[in-house]
Amino acid sequence: KQEVTQIPAALSVPEGENLVLNCSFTDSAIYNLQWFRQDPGKGLTSLLLIQSSQREQTSGRLNASLDKSSGRSTLYIAASQPGDSATYLCAVVSGSARQLTFGSGTQLTVLP
Amino acid sequence: EAGVAQSPRYKIIEKRQSVAFWCNPISGHATLYWYQQILGQGPKLLIQFQNNGVVDDSQLPKDRFSAERLKGVDSTLKIQPAKLEDSAVYLCASSPRGQISYNEQFFGPGTRLTVL
Repeated sequence: KQEVTQIPAALSVPEGENLVLNCSFTDSAIYNLQWFRQDPGKGLTSLLLIQSSQREQTSGRLNASLDKSSGRSTLYIAASQPGDSATYLCAVVSGSARQLTFGSGTQLTVLP
Repeated sequence: EAGVAQSPRYKIIEKRQSVAFWCNPISGHATLYWYQQILGQGPKLLIQFQNNGVVDDSQLPKDRFSAERLKGVDSTLKIQPAKLEDSAVYLCASSPRGQISYNEQFFGPGTRLTVL
C-alpha cells in the first residue's frame, strides 16, 4: 500500500526566503507525482506534475524535483511571498487504478 | 472552461441524520472521484467512477455511504446515517482520461460537513 509522508508539517518563514518542502513515498512504482496548493476553505490547485520519467518541473518561482528510485520529491519555492501562504500537498499516482495517494501536507506561512 | 462544481459548500447536521452532496465535473471528463479530507490530513479516495461505472470503492464505508453517477455526468454522494467522525471536507475531482493515462485530476471547492 502506497504511503506518502510530508515533512515538515508546518513551516513559517520571513518574506523573501527560499524554502524547500519535502515529500517521500514508500512504493517507487509511480506514474507521476503532483504538488497541490490548498487555501483555507478552497479546493486543491495543481501546481506541478512530474511524470515518472522526468527529474524536475518548473513553473515561475516553483521547482519540483523527483528521485523515483529513492522515493523522494522536493518543492522549492524561491523568493517567498505572503501570498504563498497555504497548505502544500504532495500526491503520487500509482497502482493498477492510477489512484492519487496524498500526503498530509505542509502548512506554509510567509510572514511580511 | 468551467471547473468542477460542488454544492452545497457547507452543511451542518446532527448525528444520525442524512446528507447528500452533488458534483458536476468538467464537461467531457470521463472519470469522477470523491475524496474525504479530515482536518489536518490529506484527501482520501472514497470512490472512483469511469463514466457511470464504479472503478474502485474499496475505501467507501458502504454501510452508511453511497454514491451514484447517473448518465455518466453529475454525481451524488450520500451519508445515511451520519456519525461524528464523518465531519470533513468532501472533495469531488474529475479527469479527462481513463485508466490508460496518468489521470491529471481537477478538483472542486469541496463541501465542508460538520456533524454535531
